[in-house]
Amino acid sequence: SQKIEQNSEALNIQEGKTATLTCNYTNYSPAYLQWYRQDPGRGPVFLLLIRENEKEKRKERLKVTFDTTLKQSLFHITASQPADSATYLCALSPGGNNDMRFGAGTRLTVKP
Amino acid sequence: GAVVSQHPSRVICKSGTSVKIECRSLDFQATTMFWYRQFPKQSLMLMATSNEGSKATYEQGVEKDKFLINHASLTLSTLTVTSAHPEDSSFYICSARGSNTGELFFGEGSRLTVL
Repeated sequence: SQKIEQNSEALNIQEGKTATLTCNYTNYSPAYLQWYRQDPGRGPVFLLLIRENEKEKRKERLKVTFDTTLKQSLFHITASQPADSATYLCALSPGGNNDMRFGAGTRLTVKP
Repeated sequence: GAVVSQHPSRVICKSGTSVKIECRSLDFQATTMFWYRQFPKQSLMLMATSNEGSKATYEQGVEKDKFLINHASLTLSTLTVTSAHPEDSSFYICSARGSNTGELFFGEGSRLTVL
């Protein structure tokens, strides 16, 4: 069956450290993968998209990697801040039609 | 960035009544919108793909007669939960693709509570 797994339900780190979140998928061959941030009671907000032919993409303090052999994406937040505390979701579209399917998310807490 | 607006943000209704949720793209045209449902501490589950001017495409296990979707214009899609029951209580979120980059813009969500 098809699965999108984010291996940590919750992650607690100290301010200033790098947070690394993992997304693994099974029985998908996505052309691209996306990461979103969701705050409690709000809709998700798009962060980054990485295509299958891209190994790495950066945006400010964010970095995403995409390994289609391992079927895994890693999401890094460097120099983390308490304001980064949120749930981070990875998502992909099975058919490339933007019908995004989401992982369960990792709830990140950055402690001051 | 593109803005997607949902209304109402919260609704409480009695069991057996119907509830309509609106999703609007405010500054762009969306031929396709997506409706998701999210239960507490769970991820977003795609319910259906709403296509402007045609029938919605429902995901497996989602009752199309219970969750009526209408996409009558390029900026408005509606989800009507018919004969709502307590188990339909959830957070309903719509989204639309705003550009060629593939990113989705989400509404703020509508929290439905069925008593």
